[in-house]
Amino acid sequence: KNEVEQSPQNLTAQEGEFITINCSYSVGISALHWLQQHPGGGIVSLFMLSSGKKKHGRLIATINIQEKHSSLHITASHPRDSAVYICAVGIIQGAQKLVFGQGTRLTINP
Amino acid sequence: DTEVTQTPKHLVMGMTNKKSLKCEQHMGHRAMYWYKQKAKKPPELMFVYSYEKLSINESVPSRFSPECPNSSLLNLHLHALQPEDSALYLCASSQGTGFSFFPATNEKLFFGSGTQLSVL
Repeated sequence: KNEVEQSPQNLTAQEGEFITINCSYSVGISALHWLQQHPGGGIVSLFMLSSGKKKHGRLIATINIQEKHSSLHITASHPRDSAVYICAVGIIQGAQKLVFGQGTRLTINP
Repeated sequence: DTEVTQTPKHLVMGMTNKKSLKCEQHMGHRAMYWYKQKAKKPPELMFVYSYEKLSINESVPSRFSPECPNSSLLNLHLHALQPEDSALYLCASSQGTGFSFFPATNEKLFFGSGTQLSVL
């Protein structure tokens, strides 16, 4: 079992829909990161969370430390939100490093 | 300046070539990273430098040789690569506070746009 599991793996929705991407993890963490990767490679850090909730524009990220679960929400989705969304956790055992989920490929159709 | 700049953007090389990938940041970050990413897979950590010292090497083959000449620059020297090494190579940096051997994992990462490498 992977230390970080994301769901769904693929998500297609219509413009304007409310989007939720989930991330569950099984290890102790220092923080959880949500990353966005557009076709062509570049990765952008959207959020880094260790508790509670963060909001930036139409994006909202929440984390429940007790349940080891995080969600990324996109309100009023737009075709430009089409990208791969990656959850990564900073593990605290041994050499500290990030462990990545497999990513969620989001496609928003106009 | 909040950019991590990687050059070149694309590289095609033969299995006997020697080439280098370059990464530069001017944000004063003291932790720098190399990741390898195959198509439709998440990034895989290769190397981490903290305060110009190699702190993590994820059992990467010796045909990949990292170098951190100063706090702003990170190079990845490539020699005798195999076709299966074809991938997107991403550089990243983070603040790297605390003078720790291992950079903290609760710091925001800044990624470059990557070098798409093809080995023929």
